[in-house]
Amino acid sequence: DAGVTQSPTHLIKTRGQHVTLRCSPISGHKSVSWYQQVLGQGPQFIFQYYEKEERGRGNFPDRFSARQFPNYSSELNVNALLLGDSALYLCASSAGTGAPLSSYEQYFGPGTRLTVT
Amino acid sequence: AQSVTQPDIHITVSEGASLELRCNYSYGATPYLFWYVQSPGQGLQLLLKYFSGDTLVQGIKGFEAEFKRSQSSFNLRKPSVHWSDAAEYFCAVGAPPSGTYKYIFGTGTRLKVLA
Repeated sequence: DAGVTQSPTHLIKTRGQHVTLRCSPISGHKSVSWYQQVLGQGPQFIFQYYEKEERGRGNFPDRFSARQFPNYSSELNVNALLLGDSALYLCASSAGTGAPLSSYEQYFGPGTRLTVT
Repeated sequence: AQSVTQPDIHITVSEGASLELRCNYSYGATPYLFWYVQSPGQGLQLLLKYFSGDTLVQGIKGFEAEFKRSQSSFNLRKPSVHWSDAAEYFCAVGAPPSGTYKYIFGTGTRLKVLA
């Protein structure tokens, strides 16, 4: 079975531009979460989607938005890019049903490395 | 508010030596606890998790962790480290499902293994 896939692998953007990152969860998983990992730090929670609805939002500005599609894939959009948005963006997939407990386990993709210049 | 502390930023051990990585959490009830490993340029791989029950949990690659409620700790251990274990290790805490599957991560511990 394929794991979580993310595209693109790397991306270079200029300040003020917009970016879209994509994620496909593990087959059968209905929940997708997005995390930002700045160099030297642990991942920070951005969003969680389950069954196409937003279930959680971290402490990020409104420039960050996301959505989930009927096939459970997801997009993360960031507008008006700042230098500080340079980071590894991780997508995590989970079954998301709440039961059994293993459905709460999150499996991470390889990430998209975003560099803003 | 939930938080996770990994007191050791860097740890160096010799191959074959034992390993313990520390993790302390702050949460009002019994949280869900996780350890992940990240190799350079890679995503996170789940090593083990604790939801409830037996406080000593076994994971992949020979790792284990022990949940100690009295110390709010979930330390990761391995009896004999291999050179391939060199990586960054993250402890994470999650609240029992209340709608949001949000994990809080520590800042990580970078493990170096000497041959």
